[in-house]
Amino acid sequence: NAGVMQNPRHLVRRRGQEARLRCSPMKGHSHVYWYRQLPEEGLKFMVYLQKENIIDESGMPKERFSAEFPKEGPSILRIQQVVRGDSAAYFCASSLAGGLDTQYFGPGTRLTVL
Amino acid sequence: DAKTTQPNSMESNEEEPVHLPCNHSTISGTDYIHWYRQLPSQGPEYVIHGLTSNVNNRMASLAIAEDRKSSTLILHRATLRDAAVYYCIVSNTGNQFYFGTGTSLTVIP
Repeated sequence: NAGVMQNPRHLVRRRGQEARLRCSPMKGHSHVYWYRQLPEEGLKFMVYLQKENIIDESGMPKERFSAEFPKEGPSILRIQQVVRGDSAAYFCASSLAGGLDTQYFGPGTRLTVL
Repeated sequence: DAKTTQPNSMESNEEEPVHLPCNHSTISGTDYIHWYRQLPSQGPEYVIHGLTSNVNNRMASLAIAEDRKSSTLILHRATLRDAAVYYCIVSNTGNQFYFGTGTSLTVIP
């Protein structure tokens, strides 16, 4: 049973470019969460999605960041016009039932903005 | 969600038990206590969670104080593979896990 998959594992972008991060949840999971981790810090919640719906985006920056979880295919975290401060590890987690159900994390995508 | 306080770092000898403390003095009655750990360059891994009663699973035990204002994660026999950052999280919705900076556990061979 495959775990949460994220790709790419490493992504390098120049300032002003777009970054697309993909997350395939565990089989049967319809709840997806995105977190960001800056160096030497803990993970910070960004957004919680359930198939085709954004449930909670209170941790998402208001500009340049967006997330989706379409009916078919992976969840996408999109960062437009990246800046150096966006350099971080981005983790995706999925759960079967949401709420207090266990969140299973992927290996993360490490974004470097030059 | 309630904030948590953990020591920045701890050390343990291999094969010995480890007790990782967490204070959550503002916990509410419906908040669950979750523990995750993060190995270097990996995503967080679920360890255990509980509400009021002590909990055991194959990875660890969770001891919850009677007033629920603190808890302790117990690794019964530390191995080198247990070296990680351990996060104590208190949440009643599960939507927003606040990870904090956790406790960095070093296991000495």
